[in-house]
Amino acid sequence: GAVVSQHPSRVICKSGTSVKIECRSLDFQATTMFWYRQFPKQSLMLMATSNEGSKATYEQGVEKDKFLINHASLTLSTLTVTSAHPEDSSFYICSANRALATDTQYFGPGTRLTVL
Amino acid sequence: AQSVTQLDSQVPVFEEAPVELRCNYSSSVSVYLFWYVQYPNQGLQLLLKYLSGSTLVKSINGFEAEFNKSQTSFHLRKPSVHISDTAEYFCAVSDAGGNEKLTFGTGTRLTIIP
Repeated sequence: GAVVSQHPSRVICKSGTSVKIECRSLDFQATTMFWYRQFPKQSLMLMATSNEGSKATYEQGVEKDKFLINHASLTLSTLTVTSAHPEDSSFYICSANRALATDTQYFGPGTRLTVL
Repeated sequence: AQSVTQLDSQVPVFEEAPVELRCNYSSSVSVYLFWYVQYPNQGLQLLLKYLSGSTLVKSINGFEAEFNKSQTSFHLRKPSVHISDTAEYFCAVSDAGGNEKLTFGTGTRLTIIP
């Protein structure tokens, strides 16, 4: 159990366009989902924490208007990169924890975003 | 604030040799500790975790880690590594008091030499 999926796995887009990434918990309900960004050969940096039905909490330095997060249900959160630029190219990973066992995060496989 | 230090960015090890990946943390509160493994172009998979109880925790594929509160460490060990263990390993810490945010170390790339 505790499977998290992301879609798409890879996306290439033109500069100025918006890209939506989906994160789903497949076999459990997730009260909280997290979005991370990982640069090549570096660790994960938390971007924001999203709770179902409420606004996401963004980490310092993360532009909320650029990285729109929606957590519409207990199994789905979306990250939209608006007006993407080449510097937004990165590996985006989501995670989720179970509603009744919030001590452990389960990670999705990640989405590789390339902005041309 | 919490922090995690993984001093070794790369660790090359011969196949079937033992390995230890070091992890030290700092925190002013009680913590949960985790090791995650990341294979190339994939997300993170939970390897093992310490929440409470026995300080020695084990994974299903032969890894183990021991929580040492006095040394603020959570080193990962395996007595005999396999080629398939080649991956990036991340140590992470969260607040045991309920703040679910994870703070990650910078990772250690384990390379197994045939």
